[in-house]
Amino acid sequence: AQSVTQPDIHITVSEGASLELRCNYSYGATPYLFWYVQSPGQGLQLLLKYFSGDTLVQGIKGFEAEFKRSQSSFNLRKPSVHWSDAAEYFCAVGAAGFQKLVFGTGTRLLVSP
Amino acid sequence: SAVISQKPSRDICQRGTSLTIQCQVDSQVTMMFWYRQQPGQSLTLIATANQGSEATYESGFVIDKFPISRPNLTFSTLTVSNMSPEDSSIYLCSADPSPGDGYTFGSGTRLTVV
Repeated sequence: AQSVTQPDIHITVSEGASLELRCNYSYGATPYLFWYVQSPGQGLQLLLKYFSGDTLVQGIKGFEAEFKRSQSSFNLRKPSVHWSDAAEYFCAVGAAGFQKLVFGTGTRLLVSP
Repeated sequence: SAVISQKPSRDICQRGTSLTIQCQVDSQVTMMFWYRQQPGQSLTLIATANQGSEATYESGFVIDKFPISRPNLTFSTLTVSNMSPEDSSIYLCSADPSPGDGYTFGSGTRLTVV
């Protein structure tokens, strides 16, 4: 069965500092991997996705993620965090063909001045 | 990517009543998905809705409690029936119009049962 682990419940980063959010997945075949962001009181916005090809994926808002099959990881990174990045971040895994997504428990990002 | 309009955005309901949540997609989609996000928690899939057939429910969710309709390829409803305070959650619908687009989510319905 698919599963996703986000080991960090909360992370606090100073504005302007770099960010890395961890995500590990378990899936028997080639996974479809996603990062979503949820601001307070809002729905989910897709940041980026990986289906195949280049393992370094660029997304919106300056985010990128790297797929490492050997480590079953899909970590999200941003070189310089802005105060507006404070939100909940969810990693998710799915399969091909309009299948459901399985979400991690989320990481809440706090940005300090 | 697709845009999903979900309503209502929030509601406060009395226990024992029912609430129907609607999702409208701006393009035809094969599958629609309904998720629940309990306070401070991650998203859990309730059911998958395929047009023209009965929805497929995940373990722990039953049709009598969460009936779903999928009358066409752009619309779906989820009803939360006989509500109790434990049903207070955010409910979200989702769809993936075509492989490679990534799943789009509605803005969610924040339900409070009193």
